[in-house]
Amino acid sequence: NAGVTQTPKFQVLKTGQSMTLQCAQDMNHEYMSWYRQDPGMGLRLIHYSVGAGITDQGEVPNGYNVSRSTTEDFPLRLLSAAPSQTSVYFCASSSLDRGDEQFFGPGTRLTVL
Amino acid sequence: AQSVTQLGSHVSVSEGALVLLRCNYSSSVPPYLFWYVQYPNQGLQLLLKYTSAATLVKGINGFEAEFKKSETSFHLTKPSAHMSDAAEYFCAVSDGPTGFQKLVFGTGTRLLVSP
Repeated sequence: NAGVTQTPKFQVLKTGQSMTLQCAQDMNHEYMSWYRQDPGMGLRLIHYSVGAGITDQGEVPNGYNVSRSTTEDFPLRLLSAAPSQTSVYFCASSSLDRGDEQFFGPGTRLTVL
Repeated sequence: AQSVTQLGSHVSVSEGALVLLRCNYSSSVPPYLFWYVQYPNQGLQLLLKYTSAATLVKGINGFEAEFKKSETSFHLTKPSAHMSDAAEYFCAVSDGPTGFQKLVFGTGTRLLVSP
């Protein structure tokens, strides 16, 4: 099992550019989520999904879009990047019956200039 | 709304010394509490969790935490620090137990271990 994988590991964007952060899991988990980590602020929930075709907003959803067409994949889209979106992004997954045990990916470090 | 407060952004100990990382929570419902560890350039890994079964919870790598409702605390301890324990530790709370767990994280405590 690869667990939760994220690509790319690092990315630099210019303000206004768009990009997609990829997240995949091979554990057949129903739940998937995206967090951002900023210095001195811990991790904050951006969006989450409870199954294919079902997504919902977390604490800080503005500027981000998600979709979940398969159980395995949960991409995060930045339509028009802003410097405030400079952060480290983590994807996580958990199962229906062990929803309290989330498995995190290694993260994507994004810089927006 | 739920929240957690971690006291001390940095904690320094010597190898072999007691590790104590503090976490206090605020919750209007019985909380589910977690400690996660993040090693440099890695994702978060679950250390232990409290889900209302036993108040003293044992986790991986010799860590344990005690849920104290009267003090609204869930402090993380380890009797003897090892160099490999150097990492950032996050306390988190959710309103579990069913469905997707929306974790609310503290700001983290970086543990430094000196020889």
